[in-house]
Amino acid sequence: GAVVSQHPSWVICKSGTSVKIECRSLDFQATTMFWYRQFPKQSLMLMATSNEGSKATYEQGVEKDKFLINHASLTLSTLTVTSAHPEDSSFYICSARVLAGAGLYEQYFGPGTRLTVT
Amino acid sequence: DQQVKQNSPSLSVQEGRISILNCDYTNSMFDYFLWYKKYPAEGPTFLISISSIKDKNEDGRFTVFLNKSAKHLSLHIVPSQPGDSAVYFCAALAPNAGGTSYGKLTFGQGTILTVHP
Repeated sequence: GAVVSQHPSWVICKSGTSVKIECRSLDFQATTMFWYRQFPKQSLMLMATSNEGSKATYEQGVEKDKFLINHASLTLSTLTVTSAHPEDSSFYICSARVLAGAGLYEQYFGPGTRLTVT
Repeated sequence: DQQVKQNSPSLSVQEGRISILNCDYTNSMFDYFLWYKKYPAEGPTFLISISSIKDKNEDGRFTVFLNKSAKHLSLHIVPSQPGDSAVYFCAALAPNAGGTSYGKLTFGQGTILTVHP
């Protein structure tokens, strides 16, 4: 299957600082990329959807000025958590969708990034 | 409103036997479905998908069956292996308003599969 990477896999930062998380599709070009957040023992919560070269579409309740998404190319999307606070500590997962064949869609997830804000 | 439901929170199966994971949906606009496996502190791993124009798709040990009239799909794993123990999520897609692409995935709550040696 296709591979989606995330960097870093784990980051600790101080309250008030900003953190950038990279998401790359390694062997395919993604039509769309997604950013999720996972809280303990809960299903994934979609934060935003982004297409290359256009502004991200944020889900209701997600602060777009706090969670900045840049989708620079068909293989790279970044999520920047600005002025991070302890409540932003979470497991962030990106996902990339590809049209794998005629009417055949596949969506792959990255390994996740553990963010801890102290 | 849970549009994709996995009513069994857990399933326990003996190694070598068949595992059947079920998923029901309520939104008739869903026409594409995906199954994922997930371990703790990792991203979901894509397993298999199916379009509503099909009723079965097979990939190795994994087969997904879709019953559109019942709004039900199932994932069969044969034979089950201890390494298959994980949380399994079904997810559904509905076309965007223009019908030219799909929107976001809607996930079920997940089923914890345990395969005993």
